[in-house]
Amino acid sequence: GESVGLHLPTLSVQEGDNSIINCAYSNSASDYFIWYKQESGKGPQFIIDIRSNMDKRQGQRVTVLLNKTVKHLSLQIAATQPGDSAVYFCAGISGGYNKLIFGAGTRLAVHP
Amino acid sequence: GAGVSQSPRYKVAKRGQDVALRCDPISGHVSLFWYQQALGQGPEFLTYFQNEAQLDKSGLPSDRFFAERPEGSVSTLKIQRTQQEDSAVYLCASSLAGGAETQYFGPGTRLLVL
Repeated sequence: GESVGLHLPTLSVQEGDNSIINCAYSNSASDYFIWYKQESGKGPQFIIDIRSNMDKRQGQRVTVLLNKTVKHLSLQIAATQPGDSAVYFCAGISGGYNKLIFGAGTRLAVHP
Repeated sequence: GAGVSQSPRYKVAKRGQDVALRCDPISGHVSLFWYQQALGQGPEFLTYFQNEAQLDKSGLPSDRFFAERPEGSVSTLKIQRTQQEDSAVYLCASSLAGGAETQYFGPGTRLLVL
């Protein structure tokens, strides 16, 4: 079946360091991927997206890389801040009605 | 503008009780999705509406789950005869049209079935 999963369940970084969160997907038909940030007690919040015809997209302090050859997605956060502490999910669009297929999530803990 | 809102934020139900969870999508958003998020897991798709039409309900775990969006705006997810395994956070998301664009999530309703 199709799935979107993550390599690492937790990631601890020092404030100011760069963070890299990885994700693998199995459905070659997915053509749109999104990274979401979820803080405790809140719904997932959109961070950045990328379409399958791109291999890199940059936002403010975040970069998403897509490697379709190995079906791998990564989120890079520059100069990680305590406010970045949360669970991060990658998700891929699947099916005719564009439902999201989520991975299990990576918890990012930023230490001062 | 206002985002997606959900109510109640927390619900405790006794096993066997019926519950109704409400979602108010962003005004003008055509697409509305319901997801179920178990503790420590990613959200899982339940059902999808385009305006008032329920086009995909393949993720509903049993016939105890029912969703509606009668006027194409507010949606209600109803769970009949709740079971302990129904305990989860129920998330609603909306998007502007029917394409592969960003889905905006509400804060979720945390359901605990005792």
